[in-house]
Amino acid sequence: AQTVTQSQPEMSVQEAETVTLSCTYDTSESDYYLFWYKQPPSRQMILVIRQEAYKQQNATENRFSVNFQKAAKSFSLKISDSQLGDAAMYFCAYRSPNWGTASKLTFGTGTRLQVTL
Amino acid sequence: GAVVSQHPSWVICKSGTSVKIECRSLDFQATTMFWYRQFPKQSLMLMATSNEGSKATYEQGVEKDKFLINHASLTLSTLTVTSAHPEDSSFYICSAPSGIQETQYFGPGTRLLVL
Repeated sequence: AQTVTQSQPEMSVQEAETVTLSCTYDTSESDYYLFWYKQPPSRQMILVIRQEAYKQQNATENRFSVNFQKAAKSFSLKISDSQLGDAAMYFCAYRSPNWGTASKLTFGTGTRLQVTL
Repeated sequence: GAVVSQHPSWVICKSGTSVKIECRSLDFQATTMFWYRQFPKQSLMLMATSNEGSKATYEQGVEKDKFLINHASLTLSTLTVTSAHPEDSSFYICSAPSGIQETQYFGPGTRLLVL
């Protein structure tokens, strides 16, 4: 079974600064998908970024980028130019390829990000 | 992105009653939906996979007779908490995959309080 580990329960960053959230995972599969989801105080889960394991290029979405190290099984999220609205719980998630039916997500325990002025 | 709705957003009920939560995919069809439970300050715990036209698949430790799932159409899945007790109080979230890569999109969640 796959596992996802987020070793940072809480992180803090000053507005306009950069912060990196860590995520490691364990799997025996060679093809899979990785995600970062954000859960603000409203508790709505919002997709931040997605990475396909077969792609060597790191995914980027505006101020959000990942450092995907497949051999190390590491998938960190970098948030640049942090904004107050980035304050939320961030979950790293793993998903196997879909083989006929949709595959479930395996979540990490989450990292609470605080953004200060 | 795809939109998933849930209804109700919050519900308070008496112990022993049943509560139904609806999950709808608004602008896409979903043959599969997922139901999660989340306790305060914790991660999402997958409860079951809802399959359109067939039985749901429950995760280990989840009582299928207590958490009834019905996926009657390609846009609607329901979770019924039967004979609810205070320990069932929690935040319930559904998700549905959409797009070629079947990225999962989440509903806004339902907060259940059993008195």
